[in-house]
Parts: sequence; structure tokens; C-alpha cells
Amino acid sequence: AQRVTQPEKLLSVFKGAPVELKCNYSYSGSPELFWYVQYSRQRLQLLLRHISRESIKGFTADLNKGETSFHLKKPFAQEEDSAMYYCALSPLSSASKIIFGSGTRLSIRP
Amino acid sequence: EAQVTQNPRYLITVTGKKLTVTCSQNMNHEYMSWYRQDPGLGLRQIYYSMNVEVTDKGDVPEGYKVSRKEKRNFPLILESPSPNQTSLYFCASSLRQGARSGANVLTFGAGSRLTVL
Repeated sequence: AQRVTQPEKLLSVFKGAPVELKCNYSYSGSPELFWYVQYSRQRLQLLLRHISRESIKGFTADLNKGETSFHLKKPFAQEEDSAMYYCALSPLSSASKIIFGSGTRLSIRP
Repeated sequence: EAQVTQNPRYLITVTGKKLTVTCSQNMNHEYMSWYRQDPGLGLRQIYYSMNVEVTDKGDVPEGYKVSRKEKRNFPLILESPSPNQTSLYFCASSLRQGARSGANVLTFGAGSRLTVL
């Protein structure tokens, strides 16, 4: 079954501490993985895509095909990182719907 | 400005009174989708559409209908709303799915907060 799993509903870390939001996926074909973010009172927006291999706002994510994971990492958390984060999978081999994980709320404590 | 527009942004209604939440995009996107967001449950897909006249159920379609008669519009219809449909609803679109080069990146609307009494 095609699935995206985010095991943590809530993650709370201190400012300046490292952050890792976990994402595991199950998909038989070739997927593209994304992280979307929703800041307070704002609409969901793309944070980063695995294909572009870029760092956005200090966040990075590496696609590990062996472990079928796409964890989001940042070495030093900032208060403005507090938000809801969603991992998502888009099939590349066929035109099919995008699949979202259930989301992780990241709270950065001062 | 390229965007996804949802209306209404806020609505309070009563059980059984039919309502429609409109969604419109001005980017000539093929793919459109509706989600509901509830505390502790994250984002759940209601319906999606790969193109005009092509729609399919998502994970939680019960109690909802959609139509895609035109490329730009994808309304969400609640024929007989119930309190368990109280939620925050998001519409999103992308150029298409199953493609690289950013064509599959979703643009989201601002959300519609619906309360059913």
C-alpha cells in the first residue's frame, strides 16, 4: 500500500538544538518526496523537494531509498521554525494523487 | 498573481443545510484536490481531480461531492452537512502529477473554516 508515515505528532525542542522530523514512505514505484510547512495563520507552502537537493531556511532532507525515509533536519532550531510540517509523496512513474503524512507539529522553546 | 482562491473563508451553518465551498485557480493547473485539516489528524484528502471531468475519491470522501466542469474551478459540495464535518478545508492545485520539474508542486488556498451546528 502507498503510505507516508510521520511517527511524531508533536516534537518540542529548545532553541539552538538540532531538529529531526521523521518521514518514512511505502511506495512501489519511483516517487518524489516533499516537505510542506504551515506557519501559524498561513497557508501550506512547499519547504523543499528531494529532487532539488537544496537547503531552505537551514533545513535539509535526504532521500534514503534503502530505508525509504526522507527525514527533515536542521542543525540549530530557531523560534520561527515552529510550525506544522507535512511530508508528501508524488508518484513520478504514473499520474496519480499526491499522498500526505499526518503531519508533525514542531514547537521551539526559547 | 498566481493563486488558489477559496470562498467562503469562514462559514457557520446548521445541520442539513446544503453548502458549496468554491475553489478557483488561475494557473491553468490540471490537478486539483480538497483536504480537511483536523487537530491530531493532520491533512486528509477528500477528493482530487487529475483534469476536467476526471475526479476520484480520496481518503475521507463520505458526505462530500465535487465536480470539475472547468479546468479552473473545483467546488466542494456538502449536500447535508453534519457536525462531524466541522473542519478547516484546503483546496490545492498543481500543473500535473506524475511529472518532474516542479510541475507536481502544490499551491494551496488560504483555507475555509467551516462550523456545522
